[in-house]
Amino acid sequence: GAGVSQSPRYKVAKRGQDVALRCDPISGHVSLFWYQQALGQGPEFLTYFQNEAQLDKSGLPSDRFFAERPEGSVSTLKIQRTQQEDSAVYLCASSLTRDNHYGYTFGSGTRLTVV
Amino acid sequence: KNEVEQSPQNLTAQEGEFITINCSYSVGISALHWLQQHPGGGIVSLFMLSSGKKKHGRLIATINIQEKHSSLHITASHPRDSAVYICAAPRGETSGSRLTFGEGTQLTVNP
Repeated sequence: GAGVSQSPRYKVAKRGQDVALRCDPISGHVSLFWYQQALGQGPEFLTYFQNEAQLDKSGLPSDRFFAERPEGSVSTLKIQRTQQEDSAVYLCASSLTRDNHYGYTFGSGTRLTVV
Repeated sequence: KNEVEQSPQNLTAQEGEFITINCSYSVGISALHWLQQHPGGGIVSLFMLSSGKKKHGRLIATINIQEKHSSLHITASHPRDSAVYICAAPRGETSGSRLTFGEGTQLTVNP
C-alpha cells in the first residue's frame, strides 16, 4: 500500500480482555517497529522486526505483550489480560532497509482505552 | 536525564511569527529525526538530517553533531502548523535502529 496502515484506529477494551492490533507496513519494507505512546509523552520503543525475525523485544513491558510478523509483512501486537496502564496509542513504523537509512514511515496508530 | 530533550514543552504563537523548537541529545548518533504529530496520533516524518541544514517549504532543520543539538524552525507560522513536534534519535551509531523520542513540543498557532 501507499502508507503504513494500522487497525483498528480506536479500541476500547474491558480490563482483562485480550486485544490484537494490526500493522500493514509498506510493501517490501524490511524493518518494522512498534512503539507505545502514553498521553502527553513521546513514543517508547516496544519491539523490532527485520523481516519475520523479532530481533529486539526489550521494550515489551510485560509478558502480557506479544508481537509477531510471521511472513515478514503484516505484524500483530497482542496484549493479553489488558490493564488500565496499557491505555495508550500504539504506533507502528516501517523502513525500507535494515539500517533504516531512508528513514521511517509511521502509521496513524491505534488508540487503546482500557476501562 | 532523558537521552533526548526538547524545549519548550509548549509554545503558543501568533500567525506569522517565527518559531524555534530545540532538541538536545546525549546519545551518540549520526542522524536526527524531526517528526510532526497531529491530534489523532499519526506521525509524519519531516526531516532526517546528519549535518548542516535542511529546508522544506517553511520548515528548516539544523543540526550540530559536535554539540549534540538540533533546531526546527518554522517561518511565517500558520494555524495549520499547530501540532506536536517531536525530535528523535536512533540508538546506536548508525542512522538506523530504533528511535528514542523526545517528549514533544505542543505548538499552537493562533490566527
